[in-house]
Amino acid sequence: DTGVSQNPRHKITKRGQNVTFRCDPISEHNRLYWYRQTLGQGPEFLTYFQNEAQLEKSRLLSDRFSAERPKGSFSTLEIQRTEQGDSAMYLCASSSLGGADYGYTFGSGTRLTVV
Amino acid sequence: AQSVTQLGSHVSVSEGALVLLRCNYSSSVPPYLFWYVQYPNQGLQLLLKYTSAATLVKGINGFEAEFKKSETSFHLTKPSAHMSDAAEYFCAVSPSGAGSYQLTFGKGTKLSVIP
Repeated sequence: DTGVSQNPRHKITKRGQNVTFRCDPISEHNRLYWYRQTLGQGPEFLTYFQNEAQLEKSRLLSDRFSAERPKGSFSTLEIQRTEQGDSAMYLCASSSLGGADYGYTFGSGTRLTVV
Repeated sequence: AQSVTQLGSHVSVSEGALVLLRCNYSSSVPPYLFWYVQYPNQGLQLLLKYTSAATLVKGINGFEAEFKKSETSFHLTKPSAHMSDAAEYFCAVSPSGAGSYQLTFGKGTKLSVIP
């Protein structure tokens, strides 16, 4: 297993366009998390899945954002009608059912630039 | 609500000198505490974690941290800085207990190592 994989690594899009990111977690990890990191800030929690169920969404996740994890494997994060404020690094992480106390494994992130 | 405060957004040390990165937490219940490191354009890597066992925690790359409940602190130290330690370091907190999942990060401290 090569860890958590995120694609694409970089995405430049025009304001108003839709974008979709993919995350492939470590295969035996049941939990998957999405975080957003803006310049000069620490990562902020967006949402998390246990298997295919989305169990919590942050208020940061506006109606333009949607995340899925079909069949409890990979996950996608879609942003509709992108805005310049969406420019950030989007980080995916996975963990076993032990959760944060076992430590997350993070992917390298997808850097989104909205122009 | 839990939070962490990292004192100093930027710390510079000479190669071979002591590294001290400060983190104070706020939590109404005993938390779990973590330090992560992030290299440029990379995801976050777990350095070490405190999960209510030993208060002095040793991590990877020669780093260690001490949990001090009376001071609500979890400072990160390394006796001798190496050039490869130059990176951004994030302190994070989560609720304790099996299955806790949400990490709350500080804003990060960028460590520069001067040759």
